[in-house]
Amino acid sequence: AQSVAQPEDQVNVAEGNPLTVKCTYSVSGNPYLFWYVQYPNRGLQFLLKYITGDNLVKGSYGFEAEFNKSQTSFHLKKPSALVSDSALYFCAVRDNTGGSYIPTFGRGTSLIVHP
Amino acid sequence: ETGVTQSPTHLIKTRGQQVTLRCSSQSGHNTVSWYQQALGQGPQFIFQYYREEENGRGNFPPRFSGLQFPNYSSELNVNALELDDSALYLCASSLGEGGEQYFGPGTRLTVT
Repeated sequence: AQSVAQPEDQVNVAEGNPLTVKCTYSVSGNPYLFWYVQYPNRGLQFLLKYITGDNLVKGSYGFEAEFNKSQTSFHLKKPSALVSDSALYFCAVRDNTGGSYIPTFGRGTSLIVHP
Repeated sequence: ETGVTQSPTHLIKTRGQQVTLRCSSQSGHNTVSWYQQALGQGPQFIFQYYREEENGRGNFPPRFSGLQFPNYSSELNVNALELDDSALYLCASSLGEGGEQYFGPGTRLTVT
C-alpha cells in the first residue's frame, strides 16, 4: 500500500520570504514523487517530480523539492514567495515497483502568501 | 499543441440518474486517467485507459465505467448517481501508462 501525508492544511508566508510545504510518503518499493499546484476552478498543473538521481529537484516557477529517503519526505520549497504562488498544492506518490501506475495524492495544502 | 479539454464544465443531476463526462487528450497522448476530487480532498484515482483498454482501477464500484476511443479521447460514465458522487472530476492524459500526466480543468458534478 502507498500513502501520502501533507501535515499542514494551510501555510502562511509573507511575500519575499522562503516557503516550505511539507510532504511525507509511504511506499513498499521505489517511489516516484510529484508536486502539483491547483488554482481555483482549474485542473492540476505539474510542478516537478523525483524519479531517481539528485535528491534536489528543480521545477517550474522557481520551485524545488528535496527528496529525503531516510525521513521519507519530499518537501516543496521556494526561496522567495510571490503573492501569485497562493494556491492549493498537492503531493503525490507512485510505487515504481511492479508496474503499477496508480498514484496516491495527499489532501492538499493551501498556501497563502501575504503582500 | 492543444491541451486536455473536458466537457461539460458544470453539471447538475438528480440522485439515481446517469451521467457521461468527456475528455479530449493532449495531442500525441495515448493514455487517459480519470480522478474524483471531493471538496477539500486530493484527487482519487478512478481508472486509466491505455490504447482503448482499461489499465488499472482504483477503489470505485462498477457503476463507474469508461471508454477510450481510437482518437484517444475518453468518456467516464456513472450510473445510479448518489449524493456522494458530487465532486470535481479530473481527466489527465499522458504518453504511455507511466508518462507525465497533464490535467484538464475538470467537470464539476453536483448530485441533488
